[in-house]
Amino acid sequence: DIQMTQSPSSLSASVGDRVTITCRASQSISSYLNWYQQKSGKAPKLLIFAASSLQSGVPSRFSGSGSGTDFTLTISSLQPEDFATYYCQQSSSTPLTFGGGTKVEIK
Amino acid sequence: QMQLQESGPGLVKPSETLSLTCTVSGGSISSYYWSWIRQPPGKGLEWIGYIYYSGSTNYNPSLKSRVTISVDMSKNQFSLKLNSVTAADTAVYYCARDRISGYDSDWFDPWGQGTLVTVSS
Repeated sequence: DIQMTQSPSSLSASVGDRVTITCRASQSISSYLNWYQQKSGKAPKLLIFAASSLQSGVPSRFSGSGSGTDFTLTISSLQPEDFATYYCQQSSSTPLTFGGGTKVEIK
Repeated sequence: QMQLQESGPGLVKPSETLSLTCTVSGGSISSYYWSWIRQPPGKGLEWIGYIYYSGSTNYNPSLKSRVTISVDMSKNQFSLKLNSVTAADTAVYYCARDRISGYDSDWFDPWGQGTLVTVSS
């Protein structure tokens, strides 16, 4: 199985901050990497697919980058509605696997 | 706009079979792969497996011996059965649309709202 490691596991930030979350794969996954946002009590929501493609309807302050084993999700200017947990997911091979999540909290 | 809705018992006894159904509305089940994903309370996400509308499946090896995913095109539904459950199977279970036929990358969108299944006597 491909292991996905996210860092940090949690962070505190203020509205307007630039936030960066990292995801590392245990082996190369090319660009087969997706990002999700999950708010408390809700289902995850797709933000970014194929490492850097913004899902329709997702604000442009979200962006993704990376390939191979190292990937980044960036929120350029954190908004109140962005406080949530973020997960990466690899789709290079089955079993499909997720990172452990990064909880973004209000500072 | 496509919507997915999970249904099934919220409480299952240990050693019994967990059964859930996902009903797809606002679009056809054809041409797509469909996944089940679960999330134990306070923990991360685990992919259970997917089914193609034609019936072919792929399961997570960690659950493969206990899982069956099936599809009913006439009802635009797909289902999950997990047998011999234990307390470790207590989780919110989500259904989600996976990739379209002919594409080689899996991402999940949209998702159902999720249903909590508790394994307890």
